[in-house]
Amino acid sequence: EVQLVESGGGLVKPGGSLRLSCAASGFTFSSYSMNWVRQAPGKGLEWVSSISSSSSYIYYADSVKGRFTISRDNAKNSLYLQMNSLRAEDTAVYYCASDGDYSPFDYWGQGTLVTVSS
Amino acid sequence: DIQMTQSPSTLSASVGDRVTITCRASQSISSWLAWYQQKPGKAPKLLIYKASSLESGVPSRFSGSGSGTEFTLTISSLQPDDFATYYCQQYNSYPCAFGQGTKVEIK
Repeated sequence: EVQLVESGGGLVKPGGSLRLSCAASGFTFSSYSMNWVRQAPGKGLEWVSSISSSSSYIYYADSVKGRFTISRDNAKNSLYLQMNSLRAEDTAVYYCASDGDYSPFDYWGQGTLVTVSS
Repeated sequence: DIQMTQSPSTLSASVGDRVTITCRASQSISSWLAWYQQKPGKAPKLLIYKASSLESGVPSRFSGSGSGTEFTLTISSLQPDDFATYYCQQYNSYPCAFGQGTKVEIK
């Protein structure tokens, strides 16, 4: 059974940093691209970042470029999102999602809440 | 960047109704479009990929069509479990944008 479990969310002050993790199991993690998607309270889905299976290709939304860094450790079946210079508008539930063989974002974690507030 | 626009934003329907949601891309995305269902407090669930391919395990009452810039998600006979918010997403190019969502409510 495929499982994606996010962790690392919490309350942080504006300008602070946080590192999210996503532990994957039940599939060959090293073969698939991975993604972060966020959802602000009461709002829609916003794509944040994607990383290819071997980390060769990395993409960011303009809203986080230069502040967030996506990475992965295939030996540990883990995906990460380092978030720096956090702003109030970064407050959201952050989901990790895996690509499928032919489809995008076919498995999702349960999400982790990040709250940026003083 | 490609923008995705869904309509309507909210849809009121009854059990058994045929429901159609439209998604428009600001430029051609071929068939690189996915549809997701999200219920309150839950992660999104992939329903349709490549515009019309049904994800494994998804009921056949869900179908997708379209190519280029115009796409539709159809629920042939709305069931109680289908009341949720639906999102389209283009994955033709980065940034892979989502539509703003369509909430399907009970009439």
